[in-house]
Amino acid sequence: ETGVTQTPRHLVMGMTNKKSLKCEQHLGHNAMYWYKQSAKKPLELMFVYNFKEQTENNSVPSRFSPECPNSSHLFLHLHTLQPEDSALYLCASSQPGQGGEQYFGPGTRLTVT
Amino acid sequence: GENVEQHPSTLSVQEGDSAVIKCTYSDSASNYFPWYKQELGKGPQLIIDIRSNVGEKKDQRIAVTLNKTAKHFSLHITETQPEDSAVYFCAATLNSGNTPLVFGKGTRLSVIA
Repeated sequence: ETGVTQTPRHLVMGMTNKKSLKCEQHLGHNAMYWYKQSAKKPLELMFVYNFKEQTENNSVPSRFSPECPNSSHLFLHLHTLQPEDSALYLCASSQPGQGGEQYFGPGTRLTVT
Repeated sequence: GENVEQHPSTLSVQEGDSAVIKCTYSDSASNYFPWYKQELGKGPQLIIDIRSNVGEKKDQRIAVTLNKTAKHFSLHITETQPEDSAVYFCAATLNSGNTPLVFGKGTRLSVIA
């Protein structure tokens, strides 16, 4: 396995619900990422954290709220989502300044009803 | 910013034949080019990468070539097997430390037994 875990693996939520996605990496990396993967679209970078600080927000709507309490954990808080937000949400990690290799988790399949 | 184009979007080959997937990038400053394989229900897995100081890299049945002048790079899989069936993504970035990867749209490879 890649050393990056994500929970839950599947999530169904209504548009008025609030839920959170969790990512944990066991690789000792200091950079973590959230990506959105929709059908027939490239992987879309959402957020980047380096050493717990957010360094990139790729024009993501405010109904997605990331949180990085430490270099090993990353959360994505979800509220008042839209059906078009249904997608596979992938977390990744890397070590800044060394190689650039990113390692992905298995993803959370999100369905918004 | 960087833009990555990937072709073809789908590819079917007979078992034992070779498969080639091609990508072009727009930013001549990019210097790191990884390839990812994504199997059904899993996150993308790094399978091989190449940096701009080399023109070719091999790992068993997989090879990647890079043409910096033309700004394109390719993935070559020889002696394909059914387990090679997956979606393959190329990516490019300026590996200055924190610059995120820019991904192609992916190629769905089917190896027919």
